[in-house]
Amino acid sequence: DIQMTQSPSSLSASVGDRVTITCRASQNINNYLNWYQQKPGKAPKLLMYAASSLQSGVPSRFSGSGSGTDFTLTISSLQPEDFATYYCQRSYATPVTFGGGTKVEIK
Amino acid sequence: QVQLVESGGGVVQPGGSLRLSCAASGFTFSNHAMHWVRQAPGKGLEWVAVISSDGSNKYYADSLKGRFTIPRDNSKNTLYLQMDSLRPDDTAVYYCARGGINSWLRMDVWGQGTTVTVSS
Repeated sequence: DIQMTQSPSSLSASVGDRVTITCRASQNINNYLNWYQQKPGKAPKLLMYAASSLQSGVPSRFSGSGSGTDFTLTISSLQPEDFATYYCQRSYATPVTFGGGTKVEIK
Repeated sequence: QVQLVESGGGVVQPGGSLRLSCAASGFTFSNHAMHWVRQAPGKGLEWVAVISSDGSNKYYADSLKGRFTIPRDNSKNTLYLQMDSLRPDDTAVYYCARGGINSWLRMDVWGQGTTVTVSS
C-alpha cells in the first residue's frame, strides 16, 4: 500500500504567520491528493483537492501545490480559526490512506 | 442543505455486532459513492470502506479482515456499516462521508460522527 507521511506532526505559530505543511507519498500519486482540516470534536472538512484546487467556500489564504510524491499545504496568513489538525489523503486508488496529521497550535 | 447524519453507535462487548446508519439528505444520494472513516480516541483518521453509487463495488481497509460490510439502500437514502466480531481496538468515532462527483475517493461532505465503544 502507498503510505502518506506528513511533517511536521505539530507546529506552533502565531496569528499572521505563514505556515507550510508537507505530505510525502511512498509512490507516485500524480495529483490525487486532498487536504482536510479538523477542529477538536468536529468532523473533518475538505480544504483542497487534486493537490491545488480550493474547495468551494474555503478562504484563499489556503493553497496547495505538488505532484508525484511531494505536496505542500500553505496558509499564507494564519488566522485564529485556522488552529486545527490538517490531514492529507491520497485518492489515487483503494485502499484510501491518510497522513498522520499535523496539529497547528497557537504560539 | 446537504447533510449526513450517523446513528447507531453505542457500547458493545468484544465479539459483538453493531450496525451503523448514515442518513443522507439535500443531494441525490444515488449519484455518489459513500465512505466510512473512523478515528480512535486521540488518533488520526483511518479509512474503513467505500461503496460505489449503485452499490455494485465495495472496497475495504485490509486491517478489517472481512469483519465489516458496507451496504446501502438508495431507496432510503441511507448508508450502513455492519460491524461483526468487534474488538476493543475498533473503539472510535465513525464518520460517513460523501464521495466527490468527479472523484469518488475524495470526501467532500462529512457527517458529525457516531461513537462506538467496544468494552466488557
